Amino acid sequence: DIQMTQSPSSVSASVGDRVTITCRASQGISSLLAWYQQKPGKAPNLLIYGASSLQSGVPSRFSGSRSGTDFTLTISSLQPEDFATYYCQQGNSFPLTFGQGTKLEIK
Amino acid sequence: QLQLQESGPGLVKPSETLSLTCTVSGGSISSSSYFWDWIRQPPGKGLEWIGSMYYSGNTYYNPSLKSRVTISADTSENQFSLKLSSVTAADTAVYHCAIHIAPSGDYPPHYFDYWGQGALVTVSS
Repeated sequence: DIQMTQSPSSVSASVGDRVTITCRASQGISSLLAWYQQKPGKAPNLLIYGASSLQSGVPSRFSGSRSGTDFTLTISSLQPEDFATYYCQQGNSFPLTFGQGTKLEIK
Repeated sequence: QLQLQESGPGLVKPSETLSLTCTVSGGSISSSSYFWDWIRQPPGKGLEWIGSMYYSGNTYYNPSLKSRVTISADTSENQFSLKLSSVTAADTAVYHCAIHIAPSGDYPPHYFDYWGQGALVTVSS
């Protein structure tokens, strides 16, 4: 199985800050990685797929990148609605696996 | 735009079988581009993939649950279902159904495009 190690587990930031979340795959997955945003009591929402492609309707302040087996989600200027939990997920092979999640909290 | 809705008992006794159905609206699930998925989330914890079924009938399950899981579909009703047998308290979770689009058929990539809101299932006597 491919393990996805996500960090940090939580981060505190202010509106307007730039935030970066990292996910590392235990083996090569090409660029087959997605990022999801989940708000309390809601289903996850696909933000980015293919490591860097923005899902339709997702604001451009969200971006993703890849370096080898390391993946990064960046929010360039935090907005109040961005405070949520973020998960990475490898889409390369079954069993599909998620990172542990990063809770983004208001400072 | 597909809408998904889970339904089923919210309380299941230990050792019994958890059964959930996902009803899809806004489009047909009978597409060679679709996988039908189940994902769960224990209270306060992260996401765990349970399994996926391709429209052809091929199924893929989480190895940790494989001996207890069955995913099936009723395309005439535009529904797919999850059965998890011999449940314990550790199976208490919000269960989400999802659909992912597979433009290359039964091949990667696998990302979850559409999600249901989730159904809380508690395992308790």
